Amino acid sequence: ETGVTQTPRHLVMGMTNKKSLKCEQHLGHNAMYWYKQSAKKPLELMFVYSLEERVENNSVPSRFSPECPNSSHLFLHLHTLQPEDSALYLCASSQEAPPSTDTQYFGPGTRLTVL
Amino acid sequence: AQSVAQPEDQVNVAEGNPLTVKCTYSVSGNPYLFWYVQYPNRGLQFLLKYITGDNLVKGSYGFEAEFNKSQTSFHLKKPSALVSDSALYFCAVRGEGSSNTGKLIFGQGTTLQVKP
Repeated sequence: ETGVTQTPRHLVMGMTNKKSLKCEQHLGHNAMYWYKQSAKKPLELMFVYSLEERVENNSVPSRFSPECPNSSHLFLHLHTLQPEDSALYLCASSQEAPPSTDTQYFGPGTRLTVL
Repeated sequence: AQSVAQPEDQVNVAEGNPLTVKCTYSVSGNPYLFWYVQYPNRGLQFLLKYITGDNLVKGSYGFEAEFNKSQTSFHLKKPSALVSDSALYFCAVRGEGSSNTGKLIFGQGTTLQVKP
């Protein structure tokens, strides 16, 4: 798991708070992803970045705002979240973005609880 | 549209016995198929993938998967299960070609429980 790191590992926030999730990949990859993993549901792709450019925005509410300042770092800025946004947020990276067949490598995730 | 199904929420197997975790898919064009494993409080770890070539794919930790085009399946297998294999397993698929978005579509996951 040292290839893709995520901080913080756990986050509890109120509905009016603003917080950010951070992801860093040490694999020299060019593409990075945010996924949401909720209980009893398949992983949901949220955003895809390729060479710091957003190439996919999967109908995610605007209260989630991604930022990719360089190919190694990816942030997810959170504001005015809802309790149903509580989930495990996973970051992943791959050598190239889709439609390549490159394997995606995942970080350990941030467990987010919205009160 | 692309889809993937893991028909079993949970699979129970005794240690030392063979295990199978099932996956079926639907894509247009040739499929690209992946298996990942997730241990508690951890991210997903890549096990193996099928892109093209030999239908039997070998991966990490002694796992293998067989691509069956006629049955549109990609079942995960291991000849002899270990208690440490107990985890949540995800199958994922992506179709080739411009009709597909290139997104990786994940199944809902299957919990594997290996008992001593």
